[in-house]
Amino acid sequence: DGGITQSPKYLFRKEGQNVTLSCEQNLNHDAMYWYRQDPGQGLRLIYYSQIVNDFQKGDIAEGYSVSREKKESFPLTVTSAQKNPTAFYLCASAPPGATNEKLFFGSGTQLSVL
Amino acid sequence: SQQGEEDPQALSIQEGENATMNCSYKTSINNLQWYRQNSGRGLVHLILIRSNEREKHSGRLRVTLDTSKKSSSLLITASRAADTASYFCATAGRGNMLTFGGGTRLMVKP
Repeated sequence: DGGITQSPKYLFRKEGQNVTLSCEQNLNHDAMYWYRQDPGQGLRLIYYSQIVNDFQKGDIAEGYSVSREKKESFPLTVTSAQKNPTAFYLCASAPPGATNEKLFFGSGTQLSVL
Repeated sequence: SQQGEEDPQALSIQEGENATMNCSYKTSINNLQWYRQNSGRGLVHLILIRSNEREKHSGRLRVTLDTSKKSSSLLITASRAADTASYFCATAGRGNMLTFGGGTRLMVKP
């Protein structure tokens, strides 16, 4: 059963804490993306990676970090430097040669601050 | 940055009616896509229209693109309660990055 799996579905962060959101795909896609969605808003790009061991900042990268050690995995860390982390986080991937034609999304992680 | 802007922000219709939502953008594009999002879920790709196309159909969906006006519309015909969701346009320009609009929240009443 191919797809993108995000975990956990809900995550709570204490002040000063770093938290990591998981994103795994078995679609054999090279490109992977992290988006942030605030209530009633569209998606804003945090980071993206087009190949293993390489990633680029998106529009709102401050306070976030990523790694891409394996093709299947693209975890996102929300650091304590991100002062307003409460949001819905979406991971996506795109097939080779179609990175701007169709994104496949996970089901999201809702992050809240305690 | 959000290039696409959807209009209206919210739309409420009766089952069986048609739903039309619009998207405007600012810079030149290679293609424009529409996605659907059910509450609390990820987005699902619906349809893509390229910059050299004017109209495209997929089932009950009809998309138009007017590059001179930098706008697109998504028409859902014979709507169903299950069409209730948010709909987003996304534009692809240079650099292969997609830029998403703020979305239209559609409610279809049974």
